[in-house]
Amino acid sequence: ETGVTQTPRHLVMGMTNKKSLKCEQHLGHNAMYWYKQSAKKPLELMFVYNFKEQTENNSVPSRFSPECPNSSHLFLHLHTLQPEDSALYLCASSPAGGPSGDGELFFGEGSRLTVL
Amino acid sequence: GQQVMQIPQYQHVQEGEDFTTYCNSSTTLSNIQWYKQRPGGHPVFLIQLVKSGEVKKQKRLTFQFGEAKKNSSLHITATQTTDVGTYFCAGERSNDYKLSFGAGTTVTVRA
Repeated sequence: ETGVTQTPRHLVMGMTNKKSLKCEQHLGHNAMYWYKQSAKKPLELMFVYNFKEQTENNSVPSRFSPECPNSSHLFLHLHTLQPEDSALYLCASSPAGGPSGDGELFFGEGSRLTVL
Repeated sequence: GQQVMQIPQYQHVQEGEDFTTYCNSSTTLSNIQWYKQRPGGHPVFLIQLVKSGEVKKQKRLTFQFGEAKKNSSLHITATQTTDVGTYFCAGERSNDYKLSFGAGTTVTVRA
């Protein structure tokens, strides 16, 4: 139990589908993140939310659309994805929410996405 | 932009032996974090180093932050099968506090 819960754990979708990944943190943290983990590549930061406000979009294609309705929940909406988008998508949270740095990241178990 | 390089990419270790993984940044860091990801798992925070030259120990793991705050190392002594996994360093840039992950060192252990 990490305090950060991601659903679904596995998702297979076609290129024309629309799906969403969900993340919920029970740690009272102020910041939430989406990371993409592909084989043999460093963790890629996608989006950062501090106090529900998006503070970073790391040049992510518009087919990925984040949503943060409150400090505990984060969504990643997916549409018209490509096979190269297949990866492990990791949600994380951290206590920090200000300019003093991210602090320690608490990761969820990830959502393994396969795009056919 | 900032790059954090980790070497080696793979480390095959005989059980009981020691090994070291290294992390190097192109820019000065405000701090460096280390994470471990077991096979099929998710990254789990191990430690954060903040001070120049800082050394911290966790049982058989020794973490070091360089004097110039641009490099770090993780040394594991008497490797056990429970040490299997990928170890990531993540450096926080000192000018804007953005965190950048290395590609990781994947460790396998021969019994």
